[in-house]
Amino acid sequence: GAVVSQHPSRVICKSGTSVKIECRSLDFQATTMFWYRQFPKQSLMLMATSNEGSKATYEQGVEKDKFLINHASLTLSTLTVTSAHPEDSSFYICSAREGARTDTQYFGPGTRLTVL
Amino acid sequence: GQQLNQSPQSMFIQEGEDVSMNCTSSSIFNTWLWYKQDPGEGPVLLIALYKAGELTSNGRLTAQFGITRKDSFLNISASIPSDVGIYFCAGHNNDMRFGAGTRLTVKP
Repeated sequence: GAVVSQHPSRVICKSGTSVKIECRSLDFQATTMFWYRQFPKQSLMLMATSNEGSKATYEQGVEKDKFLINHASLTLSTLTVTSAHPEDSSFYICSAREGARTDTQYFGPGTRLTVL
Repeated sequence: GQQLNQSPQSMFIQEGEDVSMNCTSSSIFNTWLWYKQDPGEGPVLLIALYKAGELTSNGRLTAQFGITRKDSFLNISASIPSDVGIYFCAGHNNDMRFGAGTRLTVKP
C-alpha cells in the first residue's frame, strides 16, 4: 500500500517553455501532497505544501508564479514549471501524506527535469 | 529552525559488516522516520517511529526513537551490496525536516 507515482520520470525541454509534472497517490487518498526539489548530492528541499481544494503554501524563496501547483482531487497534484530556464533543471519529487497517519509521507519516484 | 544533524556523511564498509547512523536535533520531534534513496529514485520509507523510546525493526534494519525525542538512530546488520544508497532521517512536528543524508557504500 501507500504507492505514489509521478509522471513523467524524465523531461527535457527548451528554455522558455512550461512543463507539467503529475503526482498521484495510487491506493490512498491524500488530502496533502508535498513538492520537493533535490540538487545533486543534497537533501530534499521542500518547495510547497499542496492541500486538496485550496491554494498551495509555498516555502520562503519559492516563486509561486513560477511553480504553479494544483491539487484538484484527493489523488492528484500537479506542479507546472512555467517559463523554464536552465537553472530550473533539477530532480523534483512529490510526496503524499496518508490521511490516517498525518506525519508519514510516501514519496514518488521523482522527475528529472533538464532545461536546455 | 528545526535543524537535523545526520552523521556520518558517508560510510564505506565491507559486505557483512554492521552499520550505524544517527540523527540529532536541538528540537523535539513527535515522529522520526528513516528513508532510503537510490540514485535517480524517490526516497522509500524504511521505518517510522511514533513514540519516544520506541525500537522498531524491519528485517535487518533497526531504528530507535530517542528518549529525549531529539535523536534517532538506524542500524543495518550484516550489510549486503544492495544496501548501497543514501539514507535520510526525517523528523516531524508540524512539518517534515530532513537530515543531509548518509551515503553508504558496501564493498563486496
